[in-house]
Amino acid sequence: QVQLVQFGAEVKKPGASMKVSCKASGYTFTGYYMHWVRQAPGQGLEWMGWINPNSGDTNYAHKFQGRVTMTRDTSITTAFMELSRLRSDDTAVYYCARIYCSSPSCYFDYWGQGTLVTVSS
Amino acid sequence: EIVLTQSPGTLSLSPGERATLSCRARQSVSSTYLAWYQQKPGLAPRLLIYGASNRATGIPDRFRGSGSGTDFTLTISRLEPEDFAVYYCQQFAELPLTFGGGTKVEI
Repeated sequence: QVQLVQFGAEVKKPGASMKVSCKASGYTFTGYYMHWVRQAPGQGLEWMGWINPNSGDTNYAHKFQGRVTMTRDTSITTAFMELSRLRSDDTAVYYCARIYCSSPSCYFDYWGQGTLVTVSS
Repeated sequence: EIVLTQSPGTLSLSPGERATLSCRARQSVSSTYLAWYQQKPGLAPRLLIYGASNRATGIPDRFRGSGSGTDFTLTISRLEPEDFAVYYCQQFAELPLTFGGGTKVEI
């Protein structure tokens, strides 16, 4: 069965960087784009960008350009999202989500369980 | 970017009642690229509806999506206790992908 596994929680200091991982299993990792979505405490969902695990191509939301880097390691079927120059308002749960597109629709069909990142001095 | 506005922010209902949730887009969105998710506390969102009106696998038929253009609706015909949650609409028509602010369905 399809699974996206993310690990635990992290605490980071302002100005530091974070790197969240998303281990995929149960499907062909390179066959589906992976997206990242975050959710600040008590707030809604915010799209951050995607990575094509096959080519490594990425597309980032304008808000995060210059601070976010999405990568993947196909040998371990894992996607990574790195966010630099952290601020307190980056405190959020970070989710990976697989996008499924079957003409003509697209949607996020599987989500990781999320990684809580707290930015605090 | 395509802004999605959900209303109401909170819906207070009882089990067995009907819930009607609205998602309005600032510009037209192809219905094929509109999805709805349910999120419970501490959990990741779960896909309910894709293509505006297609139920995802395993979603009960009391959930119905409808709409086109700029107005979309999620209807829950008879609320079950497990349906009390937050619901988000999302558009995939263009980047950046955007979500509505959510509607909380509470008892």
